[in-house]
Amino acid sequence: KQEVTQIPAALSVPEGENLVLNCSFTDSAIYNLQWFRQDPGKGLTSLLLIQSSQREQTSGRLNASLDKSSGRSTLYIAASQPGDSATYLCAVLSGTYKYIFGTGTRLKVLA
Amino acid sequence: EAQVTQNPRYLITVTGKKLTVTCSQNMNHEYMSWYRQDPGLGLRQIYSMNVEVTDKGDVPEGYKVSRKEKRNFPLILESPSPNQTSLYFCASSLSGLSSYNEQFFGPGTRLTVL
Repeated sequence: KQEVTQIPAALSVPEGENLVLNCSFTDSAIYNLQWFRQDPGKGLTSLLLIQSSQREQTSGRLNASLDKSSGRSTLYIAASQPGDSATYLCAVLSGTYKYIFGTGTRLKVLA
Repeated sequence: EAQVTQNPRYLITVTGKKLTVTCSQNMNHEYMSWYRQDPGLGLRQIYSMNVEVTDKGDVPEGYKVSRKEKRNFPLILESPSPNQTSLYFCASSLSGLSSYNEQFFGPGTRLTVL
């Protein structure tokens, strides 16, 4: 059974720092991995999608990598800003159209 | 604007009173899904469905879904119970099991069952 873990559960950093969020999964037979952002009381916003054949994807200050063989993905945020404060979720698509989510990393960027 | 909409956004009801949460997408997506989000448990898939096939997620008990029209995917709770108090999300995606399949989420429905 696929399990997805995100470490750390919470993170506080000063503005301007570069940071890395981690996502690990137990079964490497995935179709893709998607990173989302969730603001309090709001829905999920898709940030990056990495296909199973890809190693990384970039969007602005965000870079996501995927290492299927080791069951790991990282989300790198460059030059963090207070507006980046949110919960970040990763999800893998595997099995019979099943998305498995991690429990998220709650990020706070201090001004 | 491409979007997934849900209604209502907030709902308080009592045990046993049937309710329906509506979901609609305007992107002509094949797949639609329902999730619930609970503290400490994260997001868990309830049901997914394309126009022909229904996939049970991790927590399907107590829920029903239908897909009479491609754009709509209502979630039905025939006899709600307090353990179904949660934040519910609808999502849609263009295709099913493919590496480029990307999910788009609605704004969520906060349900409280007393």
